[in-house]
Amino acid sequence: DAKTTQPNSMESNEEEPVHLPCNHSTISGTDYIHWYRQLPSQGPEYVIHGLTSNVNNRMASLAIAEDRKSSTLILHRATLRDAAVYYCILLNSNSGYALNFGKGTSLLVTP
Amino acid sequence: DGGITQSPKYLFRKEGQNVTLSCEQNLNHDAMYWYRQDPGQGLRLIYYSQIVNDFQKGDIAEGYSVSREKKESFPLTVTSAQKNPTAFYLCASKKGQGATGEQYFGPGTRLTVT
Repeated sequence: DAKTTQPNSMESNEEEPVHLPCNHSTISGTDYIHWYRQLPSQGPEYVIHGLTSNVNNRMASLAIAEDRKSSTLILHRATLRDAAVYYCILLNSNSGYALNFGKGTSLLVTP
Repeated sequence: DGGITQSPKYLFRKEGQNVTLSCEQNLNHDAMYWYRQDPGQGLRLIYYSQIVNDFQKGDIAEGYSVSREKKESFPLTVTSAQKNPTAFYLCASKKGQGATGEQYFGPGTRLTVT
């Protein structure tokens, strides 16, 4: 399975944009890039996903490199409620499209 | 409201006892999943089911069993054969087909075995 690499932790000030990077140099052509986040003591929450083109939704934007070997999750204005662990996951048909979670990036947002 | 419910939120058991964790969804999703999370770690797949009466082992299925007799229910039994059962257990269901569907997670059950 293709793997992802994310920084262990990042810090941001409230109201500022946050760029969370993810490297996936062994991604295959059929892998979708998904992002989930998990607040303390809660189940993960879907954030966004994409295949080749950049994507926007109400929560975030996903910028995908042209060669698809990396992607960046963009939170346009971080709030204290965005403090969570963010997981970048490559999704394919293996294991019935189950999510393969790594350790993710722990985002700290300071006022 | 539509969603996934897991019960109980906290569960305590003595070593050597089997315990069943409940997972129910009213989202009409076909696929359901069980994950385990240990402190400071990501989630690991225990079992998954893509359709009623069918389920498959995930990465860490040893010591666990499941059933899928109804679309909305996917209970997980932690047996006495599971060496380190104390963990946070999360159930999820998946919307849509293929790799584009998002997964919805329940609030989790925190199991402590002493």
